[in-house]
Order: sequence, then C-alpha cells, then structure tokens
Amino acid sequence: IAGITQAPTSQILAAGRRMTLRCTQDMRHNAMYWYRQDLGLGLRLIHYSNTAGTTGKGEVPDGYSVSRANTDDFPLTLASAVPSQTSVYFCASSDTGNSPLHFGNGTRLTVT
Amino acid sequence: AQSVTQPDIHITVSEGASLELRCNYSYGATPYLFWYVQSPGQGLQLLLKYFSGDTLVQGIKGFEAEFKRSQSSFNLRKPSVHWSDAAEYFCAVGATSGTYKYIFGTGTRLKVLA
Repeated sequence: IAGITQAPTSQILAAGRRMTLRCTQDMRHNAMYWYRQDLGLGLRLIHYSNTAGTTGKGEVPDGYSVSRANTDDFPLTLASAVPSQTSVYFCASSDTGNSPLHFGNGTRLTVT
Repeated sequence: AQSVTQPDIHITVSEGASLELRCNYSYGATPYLFWYVQSPGQGLQLLLKYFSGDTLVQGIKGFEAEFKRSQSSFNLRKPSVHWSDAAEYFCAVGATSGTYKYIFGTGTRLKVLA
C-alpha cells in the first residue's frame, strides 16, 4: 500500500543524545514535511522540503535538522535531545505546495 | 497573518445525532481548505478539501463541509454520527503560494455516546 513509513514507532531517549527519525514515502511526492504534535498546540511545522536537494525552516526549527538527498527519504535529526522535544512527530508529503498532505503514523518520542 | 481557529476543543454527541464542527480562517486570498481526521495512535487522514467551485464539498465517511467566504468559515458536518467517528478533527488552510506552510487549527476532539 502506497504511503509514508516512519521509524521508529516510539523511542525513549536520554537528554543529550542524538536521534534520527526516519521517513520514507513511495508516492513520488515532491514535497515532504516534519510536524510535531503537542496537546493543545495542534501541529507545528518543523522543517519542510519542496523538492529533493532543498529544505526550509518551519515554525519551530530550533534543535532539529533535516536533509533531502533523494525524493523518497526525509530524515529528521535531533543533534542533542532536550526534554522539551518530547512529542509525537509526524512526517507528511504532498505532490505540490497546496495539494492534500499525506501523513505517516507518527513517532512518539520521550526525552528524559 | 494567516490563521485557523477551531473554537470547540471538545464536542460530545449521541450516536445518530447530527454534527457540526466549526472552523474559521484568516487568509489574504482565496484559501485552499482541508479537513483531516486523526484516530488514536494514527496519522491524519484527509476527509475533504476545497479548492474552488461549488462551496459545498463532499468527503469520505459521509462528511461534508461548506465554504462561506463572507463568514470566513469552513464548517464540517455529518447528518448522523456513528460511534466510529469518535476522533480528533483538524481544519487546515493550504500554504500561501511558494511557502509550503500549511496552517492547522488546534483540533476538535469528538466523543460519541452510545
């Protein structure tokens, strides 16, 4: 079934550790996104990429980095995790900048 | 600045009753509008979208939404709610051209009473 695969499903991480959340899509969508979802705050955009080789900052980019080496993969890296990065992280993709978003099932990250 | 407001954080309805979830937006041009549904432990799934044309749009699972430019609203409706509709619902505005920055409301959690 076509879609977005995120890994891991959940993770408990010690503060200060480095972590990469993986995201792969098989729909050949041009654009990919990382959101974090926190209770009462909805979804907030961390980083996005409108095409392979380019990335951009979203609403809450600090402490996170991304790369887009090819169309399918869009990993999110936390260089040195802090407790405020405890959240559920969703990867999404879209064909264009205004077409509907397709979401993965999320990664639940707890930073202790 | 663009924004999306979902005034109701929680809504409880009885199974079989009608449903309306409110969404108001602030946007400088004709917006692209979306409603998504999120079941527990899942990602968001598209229910319906409005780009242009007929202001009443039909979606999956029996949902519909009406775009009202004069009220800056895009309310989601369903004539008869099923227990399986219990979930969280998000309204979103599509990105301003070239920015790729969709704007989401904070969500409305729907509880359905048997």
